[in-house]
Amino acid sequence: AQKVTQAQTEISVVEKEDVTLDCVYETRDTTYYLFWYKQPPSGELVFLIRRNSFDEQNEISGRYSWNFQKSTSSFNFTITASQVVDSAVYFCALSPGANDYKLSFGAGTTVTVRA
Amino acid sequence: DAMVIQNPRYQVTQFGKPVTLSCSQTLNHNVMYWYQQKSSQAPKLLFHYYDKDFNNEADTPDNFQSRRPNTSFCFLDIRSPGLGDAAMYLCATSRDNERLSNQPQHFGDGTRLSIL
Repeated sequence: AQKVTQAQTEISVVEKEDVTLDCVYETRDTTYYLFWYKQPPSGELVFLIRRNSFDEQNEISGRYSWNFQKSTSSFNFTITASQVVDSAVYFCALSPGANDYKLSFGAGTTVTVRA
Repeated sequence: DAMVIQNPRYQVTQFGKPVTLSCSQTLNHNVMYWYQQKSSQAPKLLFHYYDKDFNNEADTPDNFQSRRPNTSFCFLDIRSPGLGDAAMYLCATSRDNERLSNQPQHFGDGTRLSIL
């Protein structure tokens, strides 16, 4: 069975602060995929990143960066120099190996960035 | 722009009155999903279509059914909505085959369903 844990329910920061969202996962599969999605107040889920279990390289995309540590089963997400538009619920999700593409979501972390 | 479109954005129905939510996509993706998301919770998968094959999650109530008449459209039918079915319903699509596995799911804006 797969399980995704996002320990932080809510995080509140002031604009320009960095914020890190933790994600820990459990799976018995050797091949799996990890995702982060953003859900702004308008409701749609926006895909941010997909990472497969064989690629442990960290990734940076603008102000977003991701730290994948297989040894600790973690896939953490950092927003650098946060902005008010970053306010949203962020979901970490896990998809098992090939031929099983269903997503297991974490409970989500609500990020509030104050001006 | 290619996208996943859900109509309506807001739907109000009466307790016990059947309701249908619709989803269309211009991405030509072969997999379509329906999720239920209650307030402050993660999305929960109800069922999905892999091409024409319907796959129901074990804990999806019988009250929920789906139709996919063609690649582009998928419908969620709630036969007798109860108060507990009030939620946001999200449609998603993905392309999945042997070469492209576990691709990201693309979500629509959702339909927020209220039950009176």
